[in-house]
Amino acid sequence: EPEVTQTPSHQVTQMGQEVILRCVPISNHLYFYWYRQILGQKVEFLVSFYNNEISEKSEIFDDQFSVERPDGSNFTLKIRSTKLEDSAMYFCASSSGQGNTGELFFGEGSRLTVL
Amino acid sequence: SQQGEEDPQALSIQEGENATMNCSYKTSINNLQWYRQNSGRGLVHLILIRSNEREKHSGRLRVTLDTSKKSSSLLITASRAADTASYFCATLNSGNTPLVFGKGTRLSVIA
Repeated sequence: EPEVTQTPSHQVTQMGQEVILRCVPISNHLYFYWYRQILGQKVEFLVSFYNNEISEKSEIFDDQFSVERPDGSNFTLKIRSTKLEDSAMYFCASSSGQGNTGELFFGEGSRLTVL
Repeated sequence: SQQGEEDPQALSIQEGENATMNCSYKTSINNLQWYRQNSGRGLVHLILIRSNEREKHSGRLRVTLDTSKKSSSLLITASRAADTASYFCATLNSGNTPLVFGKGTRLSVIA
């Protein structure tokens, strides 16, 4: 069964360092998302991406964040200069080209720890 | 905010009992979805109910939607220890906006 894969599963970084989280969405999906979940808290929307551009972003997704789909298969989230409060699980998700009304398929997440 | 809010925050039941979780939201929706998350894992889609539907079944899951009260419920019948997880409702409104998740209900099923 197709699945969304994310790497790394866990990354530890120093405050101020750049981090890139990678995702391979399901191959025939057209809509891509990043969400994050601070430990024990709700799942928060960061950004959605369609047709090679950002379609929606939240207030959390400030200038320190960027997304890219560099090669037609990977979907990356970059945090330019990490802060302590960026520590969280980051989930990538994708949905099919049947319109943005269906279910999201999530990866297992990348745990980011900022020291 | 159209964010769904689940109730209760935590629920502990014995194996074999039914578990009911509720979700309330604030604005008109296109659909409402329920997801499950095992500890430290990704979210898994369980069921989607559209705004013109009132009830939907999938195996041991039953979802209801009351758009007049802006609420939904998820019933898990004959619960098993393996059902222990957090359950989230998520709403999609009629615009091109992303799925918004609630805070979740932590379900513990005791064998």
